[in-house]
Amino acid sequence: DTGVSQNPRHKITKRGQNVTFRCDPISEHNRLYWYRQTLGQGPEFLTYFQNEAQLEKSRLLSDRFSAERPKGSFSTLEIQRTEQGDSAMYLCASSLETGTNEKLFFGSGTQLSVL
Amino acid sequence: QKEVEQDPGPLSVPEGAIVSLNCTYSNSAFQYFMWYRQYSRKGPELLMYTYSSGNKEDGRFTAQVDKSSKYISLFIRDSQPSDSATYLCAMRGTGGFKTIFGAGTRLFVKA
Repeated sequence: DTGVSQNPRHKITKRGQNVTFRCDPISEHNRLYWYRQTLGQGPEFLTYFQNEAQLEKSRLLSDRFSAERPKGSFSTLEIQRTEQGDSAMYLCASSLETGTNEKLFFGSGTQLSVL
Repeated sequence: QKEVEQDPGPLSVPEGAIVSLNCTYSNSAFQYFMWYRQYSRKGPELLMYTYSSGNKEDGRFTAQVDKSSKYISLFIRDSQPSDSATYLCAMRGTGGFKTIFGAGTRLFVKA
């Protein structure tokens, strides 16, 4: 069990560019979540996958954001035409659905800075 | 009004002190209550997980849930400098998948 892995750890980009982040969950975990965290705030839910199916998207997730989880393994989060307001820590979490006793395991996040 | 309210601090205590961290919430559907610890530039790490009301103890940590008051607490006994971090409360409803987080309280334990 190597934990949840996220890459890259840091990304600096210019406004208007596209960026893509990757998350590798704990191998046996069937649920995968993306959260966004800004300075001084707690993580905010963005989207959720059960295996390869994306089951929920937050209203925070504009049309410029897209997430995939092909074959229910790793996941990618893409932001198109980045804006300065997209600057944040993007966190990935995974869990093993065990009925009601679900516990999230987070990665170390990708820190995005949009200049 | 946010669903989960948490005082951001910072809270500064001397080593060995008992620390009390709290959150209030407005959604009576929340049934699962968690506390996460987050070090700088790291992801949150699950500390305590509680279902419904009551107390749960794990080493130096005690989590309390009072659903009648919509109030949860985390107590840290014999605090250590290594406990210096941001503590996030989090909660979720039955059958739900979305975990809602508080803003986090920054804790500093001085040696």
